[in-house]
Amino acid sequence: GEDVEQSLFLSVREGDSSVINCTYTDSSSTYLYWYKQEPGAGLQLLTYIFSNMDMKQDQRLTVLLNKKDKHLSLRIADTQTGDSAIYFCAGAGGATNKLIFGTGTLLAVQP
Amino acid sequence: EAQVTQNPRYLITVTGKKLTVTCSQNMNHEYMSWYRQDPGLGLRQIYYSMNVEVTDKGDVPEGYKVSRKEKRNFPLILESPSPNQTSLYFCASSLLAGGGAGELFFGEGSRLTVL
Repeated sequence: GEDVEQSLFLSVREGDSSVINCTYTDSSSTYLYWYKQEPGAGLQLLTYIFSNMDMKQDQRLTVLLNKKDKHLSLRIADTQTGDSAIYFCAGAGGATNKLIFGTGTLLAVQP
Repeated sequence: EAQVTQNPRYLITVTGKKLTVTCSQNMNHEYMSWYRQDPGLGLRQIYYSMNVEVTDKGDVPEGYKVSRKEKRNFPLILESPSPNQTSLYFCASSLLAGGGAGELFFGEGSRLTVL
């Protein structure tokens, strides 16, 4: 089955760029997602990328997909303190299109 | 307002005392799912339901039961809770099954402690 891995923690300074990385094992994932979890809340969809795309940009967010290396990244430009949260990557595929989540990366933004 | 509502948000209970965590969505979604979140393990799926009266095991179903008698409700039942079920639980729903560029909507979570 799908296995999705992320580093556990990233610390950046306000105004810098953040890059959160994710690797996955199942190349049949049709879509790959980034979810954000703020403290005390559920997950919210941040952005997603279709598997035949290399890059997707949405305001401060850039998603890069390297299918050959099975590597997904989320870049947040001009990181703000409000971006402090846990970020989960997830892949969906297979017969039931089930979402498999990574372990989550805690992003800490220092003022 | 479109939302997934879970209750209770916080619960402390003792080993063996049956409990139910309710989940309700008001978006007429077909698909609903329960996850547990544990440090370093991410989200793991407990059970899911593709539609009314259709439920299936996820990755960690042991010790849990679910039912889907109505489209909007998907309660999670712990018949005999044990301390290893201490966790943060999330209910989620989507228009279609699991993914496919469809957004998964999450409840705010239910933090359960089993003593």
